[in-house]
Amino acid sequence: DTVLTQSPALAVSPGERVTISCRASESVSTLMHWYQQKPGQQPTLLIYLASNLESGVPARFSGSGSGTDFTLTIDPVEADDTATYYCQQSWNDPPTFGGGTKLELK
Amino acid sequence: QVQLQQSGTELVKPASSVKISCKASGYTFTSNYMHWIRQQPGNGLEWIGWIYPGNGNTKYNQKFDGKATLTADKSSSTAYMQLSSLTSEDSAVYFCARLSYGSYFDYWGQGVMVTVSS
Repeated sequence: DTVLTQSPALAVSPGERVTISCRASESVSTLMHWYQQKPGQQPTLLIYLASNLESGVPARFSGSGSGTDFTLTIDPVEADDTATYYCQQSWNDPPTFGGGTKLELK
Repeated sequence: QVQLQQSGTELVKPASSVKISCKASGYTFTSNYMHWIRQQPGNGLEWIGWIYPGNGNTKYNQKFDGKATLTADKSSSTAYMQLSSLTSEDSAVYFCARLSYGSYFDYWGQGVMVTVSS
């Protein structure tokens, strides 16, 4: 299975720029997607196909990458962005998720 | 608008089975794959399998083969997942999620918490 590796946690101040990385154990082309999950809620789609912003998601969120290295950027970070962020690939079977990056605000 | 409404919290005994549901609305149920995903307490997301309601075809993560059984009822636009031979390891939140045509999960159910305890 394709392993997706994320940093476990980040802490930033409101107004700063944050990048969350996701590294795949093998190429996933651009079939990488990002989700936000707040405590007690279901994940919600932020970015699909590496760099496409889902409808209704603030333009502060952006994604980039291809192959094995991907990033989710939030600029500027707001208090409401406190959540866990997951990457997920759908290029290789089975679909797999990263372990999640918990974003905390200082 | 697309909605996936899942059934309620389950408290079940070890060695028993449970069947949870995911009722879809706002789109043509038979046109999209429905996936199921597990989240154990404090952990990340784990893919269980998918069903294509149009023809009932299924595919499972090897890890869940024999543990999970996916079905769908076209008449009620509802997908089901049955979990069998439950142990404490199966205590988790289970999500259904619709697969978009671009191969990402664009809509998720609210999740069902299953607790296995005697």
